[in-house]
Amino acid sequence: QQQVKQSPQSLIVQKGGISIINCAYENTAFDYFPWYQQFPGKGPALLIAIRPDVSEKKEGRFTISFNKSAKQFSLHIMDSQPGDSATYFCAAQGGSGGGADGLTFGKGTHLIIQP
Amino acid sequence: DSGVTQTPKHLITATGQRVTLRCSPRSGDLSVYWYQQSLDQGLQFLIHYYNGEERAKGNILERFSAQQFPDLHSELNLSSLELGDSALYFCASSKGGSAYNEQFFGPGTRLTVL
Repeated sequence: QQQVKQSPQSLIVQKGGISIINCAYENTAFDYFPWYQQFPGKGPALLIAIRPDVSEKKEGRFTISFNKSAKQFSLHIMDSQPGDSATYFCAAQGGSGGGADGLTFGKGTHLIIQP
Repeated sequence: DSGVTQTPKHLITATGQRVTLRCSPRSGDLSVYWYQQSLDQGLQFLIHYYNGEERAKGNILERFSAQQFPDLHSELNLSSLELGDSALYFCASSKGGSAYNEQFFGPGTRLTVL
């Protein structure tokens, strides 16, 4: 059972454009939603995270939009740059374990920013 | 550099063998999480230790086990290895043992089972 569904699987965006990645979750007990960025040969690194008490969080060019009723959240990368080319993972945590459980990840989006 | 170290970087072994992966968390972090990353399953949570005690289990096989030592480093033991165990294994550390604590991932150990 895939608890966090991520789309698209791959995405090509022109430099300067907006990259949008979407995720949907099933477990309503999730209460922490981070996005991770992974470059080839490296471990995932936290990009930005949101809790369900806010609908949007912005950090620089990165914005998370969160829709609690729809159980969906998305990552927007404004003014996308070639250096943003990486794999992005949405994740969720919480549930009955109160965070003792690890992160539940989406399958990932391979983002390519064309110069 | 996340401050989390993992050894070895690469491991090649044969089916049926046993291996041990090691993780040293960031200074001051009490939690260690283990994850497996494979092409078909993606990133999956295996197990979580907090200050030496097991806190939660995810999709960890019975052939796999882990422990966290008094100095807070952790080891993941994989036994009776199968071809399908070939994957990247990451550990991540965080200050606390609950949600909202950022998890810092190590560089991973790439395991190849031949």
